[in-house]
Amino acid sequence: EDQVTQSPEALRLQEGESSSLNCSYTVSGLRGLFWYRQDPGKGPEFLFTLYSAGEEKEKERLKATLTKKESFLHITAPKPEDSATYLCAVRMRNQAGTALIFGKGTTLSVSS
Amino acid sequence: DTAVSQTPKYLVTQMGNDKSIKCEQNLGHDTMYWYKQDSKKFLKIMFSYNNKELIINETVPNRFSPKSPDKAHLNLHINSLELGDSAVYFCASSPRTSGLSSYEQYFGPGTRLTVT
Repeated sequence: EDQVTQSPEALRLQEGESSSLNCSYTVSGLRGLFWYRQDPGKGPEFLFTLYSAGEEKEKERLKATLTKKESFLHITAPKPEDSATYLCAVRMRNQAGTALIFGKGTTLSVSS
Repeated sequence: DTAVSQTPKYLVTQMGNDKSIKCEQNLGHDTMYWYKQDSKKFLKIMFSYNNKELIINETVPNRFSPKSPDKAHLNLHINSLELGDSAVYFCASSPRTSGLSSYEQYFGPGTRLTVT
């Protein structure tokens, strides 16, 4: 069964303190791993898509990497506005243009 | 312009009632979805629709039914509401192409349903 596990569940950082969030997945034939950011009371906001091991993508202070078993979201010198829940998801197998399986998310709090 | 919109944002109703949530996307996407986010913030797929065809129905009770009047709309109808239906419901859409960016999904702001 396809599965996505994120760790830690919650992470508290001081402003400027870099860290990484982990997303491990079990899926038959990865067809895309997605990172989303969700602010309280809002819908998930798309950040990155990764398709193959070794791929990396960056956006401002965020960098996503992918191996054959897991993905990391690295946050460099975070600011308070980076506080949010970060969701990882994989696309369900053998279905074109179809649903995502989400992990339970990591809630990041950055204090100044 | 809002890419994916939902109405209402909040819905409070009593057990046994029938209600609908509307979703519209102006992105020109071919596939639309409904997700449920429970009290523990876990996001789970309910339905996806492509060209008016239901692709996935993940063990959702048949009290829930998606209705798509056209490619830009996917409404969620819920009959005989139960306490356990209380959650936040998100609509999403994605394009259906052969490119690498084909399957990014864009989410609406959510509808918080409270059943009393």
